[in-house]
Amino acid sequence: QSVLTQPPSVSGAPGQRVTISCTGSSSNIGANYDVHWYQQFPGTAPKLLIYNNNNRPSGVPDRFSGSKSGTSASLVITGLQAEDEADYYCQSYDSSLSGLGVFGGGTKLTVL
Amino acid sequence: EVQLVESGGGLVQPGGSLRLSCAASGFTVSDGYMSWVRQAPGKGLEWVSVVDSVDNTKYADSVKGRLTISRDPSENTLYLQMNSLRPEDTAVYFCAAKLRHALDVWGKGTTVTVSS
Repeated sequence: QSVLTQPPSVSGAPGQRVTISCTGSSSNIGANYDVHWYQQFPGTAPKLLIYNNNNRPSGVPDRFSGSKSGTSASLVITGLQAEDEADYYCQSYDSSLSGLGVFGGGTKLTVL
Repeated sequence: EVQLVESGGGLVQPGGSLRLSCAASGFTVSDGYMSWVRQAPGKGLEWVSVVDSVDNTKYADSVKGRLTISRDPSENTLYLQMNSLRPEDTAVYFCAAKLRHALDVWGKGTTVTVSS
C-alpha cells in the first residue's frame, strides 16, 4: 500500500472536467516535496504529464493541469477526450523512505 | 533523439539471477539521475532503485541486498543485477531518467518472470 493515496478509478463524459486526487502526509507532500504526474496506456511505458506540481512538459495539452496544497495534490483534466482514457500516477518523495521516490497506487480514468 | 532501451528480461527460477541492461542514446547515463521502476502484472508502479550523478544509490526495502544498480559510462548503459529472485519480483522493469524534470525519459520495459 502506497504512502500516496489515489482513488482507484474516476470517470467522466467527453467534454467534462475530472479531478484525480493524490493524498499524502507530512513526510511526503506536506514536507514540501514536489509532486509529478504520469500517464500510462495499457502495455506502454509511463509518460511524464505534469512536473513540479503544476508544470507541463512540451507537447502536453493545456487541458491537463496540476496543483498542490498542504498534504495533497490534484490532477485536473478539462475538456475530457476519449484518448485520455488511461492510468494516472502521482509521484513524490518521502523522508521515511531513504530518499527513494514513491508513486501513488494509480487511478484508472474511464471516458464514458 | 533521447532514448532508453532495456534488455535482459526473461524467465528465471526462484533463487536465480538476471542482469537487466538499459542502453541510452542522446545523453550520457553518467550525467544523470537514473532509475529502475517496476510494475507487477495488473499492479501499479514501484520505484526499485536509483543512482544519482555522484553515484549515490538507493533501493526499495523490498529489494535491498538482492538488487544492485550500476552504470558503465563506456557503454552508456545502466544495469540492474538481480540476485536471489523471488516470485514477487515478477514484473515489467522500466529504466527511467531525469534529464530535466522528474522522470522525463522512459524505456519501453523488459519483462522478468520468476517461476519454477
